Amino acid sequence: NADVMQNPRHLVRRRGQEARLRCSPMKGHSHVYWYRQLPEEGLKFMVYLQKENIIDESGMPKERFSAEFPKEGPSILRIQQVVRGDSAAYFCASSPRLGLAGDPSYNEQFFGPGTRLTVL
Amino acid sequence: AQSVTQLGSHVSVSEGALVLLRCNYSSSVPPYLFWYVQYPNQGLQLLLKYTSAATLVKGINGFEAEFKKSETSFHLTKPSAHMSDAAEYFCAVSVRGGSNYKLTFGKGTLLTVNP
Repeated sequence: NADVMQNPRHLVRRRGQEARLRCSPMKGHSHVYWYRQLPEEGLKFMVYLQKENIIDESGMPKERFSAEFPKEGPSILRIQQVVRGDSAAYFCASSPRLGLAGDPSYNEQFFGPGTRLTVL
Repeated sequence: AQSVTQLGSHVSVSEGALVLLRCNYSSSVPPYLFWYVQYPNQGLQLLLKYTSAATLVKGINGFEAEFKKSETSFHLTKPSAHMSDAAEYFCAVSVRGGSNYKLTFGKGTLLTVNP
C-alpha cells in the first residue's frame, strides 16, 4: 500500500556498519509493526509499537536490533553492526487501532513496499 | 505456535484458467486466516480474511477462499485468471486473543499468468 512509506527502498551496508530503516504509517494510524523476510522465507513478525511505546518485541533478535516510534516522526528500525545474515527485506505495516481481543476486524494491517537491506 | 504452509512456490496458469493457490495452517487455537497479494515493488495488500463468520470468504478482484477446519486448509481460488493477477500471494494466520496482531506468513506463491 503506497500510503505506508518506507525509506530507503534499498540499502547497502558493509559488515559492522549501522542500518536505519524508516517507516511512516498511514495518516491517522498509531500502530506500527515490523516484519522481516529472509530469502526463501515468509514474513516474520519482529515488533509492534505504538507511539512512544514498544508493545511486543518478541520477534526481535536480542542483540543489535532496536525499534522506536517517537511522538513525532517515523518509526525507526535500527540494526547495529550488521552482519551478512541481516540481509533481508524489512516490511513495515500500520493499523488505525487494535481490535477487541478476539476480533481483528479493525486492525487490518496496511503494508509498505519494504526496504531491501544488503550487507556486503 | 501457529504456522502456514503454502504448497508450490510457483504456479503458472493460462489466462482464463482456474487459479488455485494452496494454504494449510497449523494452530492450537481457532485461527484467523488471511491472503495477501504483493505486486512488484509494492507492499502487501489484503485480498481477504476469515474471522469465523462464513467459511467461504469473498475478497477483492474476484478471489475467494474457503476455510476447511477438517483439512486445516484455506485455499485461494479464482475462476478465471487475468494477466493482472500475476503477483506473489501470501497466506497468513493469527490467533484469537490479545496477540491477534501477530501475523505468521507462509513463504509465498508466485503466480504467473500466460497469455
